[in-house]
Amino acid sequence: NAGVTQTPKFQVLKTGQSMTLQCAQDMNHEYMSWYRQDPGMGLRLIHYSVGAGITDQGEVPNGYNVSRSTTEDFPLRLLSAAPSQTSVYFCASSYDLAGGRSGELFFGEGSRLTVL
Amino acid sequence: GDSVTQMEGPVTLSEEAFLTINCTYTATGYPSLFWYVQYPGEGLQLLLKATKADDKGSNKGFEATYRKETTSFHLEKGSVQVSDSAVYFCALNPRTGANSKLTFGKGITLSVRP
Repeated sequence: NAGVTQTPKFQVLKTGQSMTLQCAQDMNHEYMSWYRQDPGMGLRLIHYSVGAGITDQGEVPNGYNVSRSTTEDFPLRLLSAAPSQTSVYFCASSYDLAGGRSGELFFGEGSRLTVL
Repeated sequence: GDSVTQMEGPVTLSEEAFLTINCTYTATGYPSLFWYVQYPGEGLQLLLKATKADDKGSNKGFEATYRKETTSFHLEKGSVQVSDSAVYFCALNPRTGANSKLTFGKGITLSVRP
């Protein structure tokens, strides 16, 4: 059972480089989202999508882009990496729109990004 | 706005000790409340939930009761095991509309010693 798959698990970038974190889910979930996890800050929502072709900003969207061309995939793009983007990134999906009524989000294992 | 406040950590206990992790919330209306757990090297997973006042969520020996009068959802376990070592997150969904989203607390690290 694959669930939510994130790649890569680890990545080191230099300031100014770009990269894409990949996220794929095989549960036919409409809702997908990206969070970053930082010490003492908990989880903060970056971007989310309620279906193919629809994306919206979360709490901390600056410096990140997303797109949703299929139900399965929701990549997160860093256009010009900065040290402040050093973090652990989690992709999550849900059966209910916006993780709403059931409240249950299914998380990937995370991608640890270091920006030097 | 909606928020979740968790007690400061980390917490270190001996095996078989009693566990309480405090969580209080601020929300308008009638939110749903959740506890998520993150084991080392893994993503978060739902531990338990409660959707209305006085509901008790339970799973894997953990329990939490939705207390509207004290706006709390404290997590308890009678006898912790080493395998319970993890980060625990309290979360709420305000259920204010189709796009209402989960708000997480900062998380607390639990370490259980043999």
